[in-house]
Amino acid sequence: EAGVAQSPRYKIIEKRQSVAFWCNPISGHATLYWYQQILGQGPKLLIQFQNNGVVDDSQLPKDRFSAERLKGVDSTLKIQPAKLEDSAVYLCASSPRGVSYEQYFGPGTRLTVT
Amino acid sequence: GEDVEQSLFLSVREGDSSVINCTYTDSSSTYLYWYKQEPGAGLQLLTYIFSNMDMKQDQRLTVLLNKKDKHLSLRIADTQTGDSAIYFCAESMGAAGNKLTFGGGTRVLVKP
Repeated sequence: EAGVAQSPRYKIIEKRQSVAFWCNPISGHATLYWYQQILGQGPKLLIQFQNNGVVDDSQLPKDRFSAERLKGVDSTLKIQPAKLEDSAVYLCASSPRGVSYEQYFGPGTRLTVT
Repeated sequence: GEDVEQSLFLSVREGDSSVINCTYTDSSSTYLYWYKQEPGAGLQLLTYIFSNMDMKQDQRLTVLLNKKDKHLSLRIADTQTGDSAIYFCAESMGAAGNKLTFGGGTRVLVKP
């Protein structure tokens, strides 16, 4: 079974630029999560989708971050405009319907904002 | 509120047992997890325990849960150099939503 795929793996941008990350969850997984992991910290949930609907986006900075999951499969996370403090690893995870206590993580996208 | 605390660093000799500790504050946590993160990689689910359990064993891994003290530990028997990584404790409510709240991670260094 293929795991969670993310791209790009690394991205360097200047502040005030825009960036987008892509995630393809494990086939058949209904729930998709985006986490932000700042260096030296544990991951923090940004947004959770159930199929293509948002379940929790309470910690998403909505003035600059947006996410969508069209057709309930792939998802994109966008930052516009980026700030220095957005430098982090952005992790995507997915879990099967009815087994939400098992989350499978992708390798992450490391974003550096200069 | 939710808060998960872990010690920052643990050094252990190869072949010894490692014990990583975690405390949490949310008494309504339903599931507690241990994840492993190797350099440049995502998080790998090692094991989890339901809040109505005291202990769970899975090969070299033993999880102990003291719900009264809100304390979770992970014991790794016969620690190997491949066990060097950052270990994260996490909790969730387990209901719809199932947001994971992570601790800051414990870096484990296994010395030969």
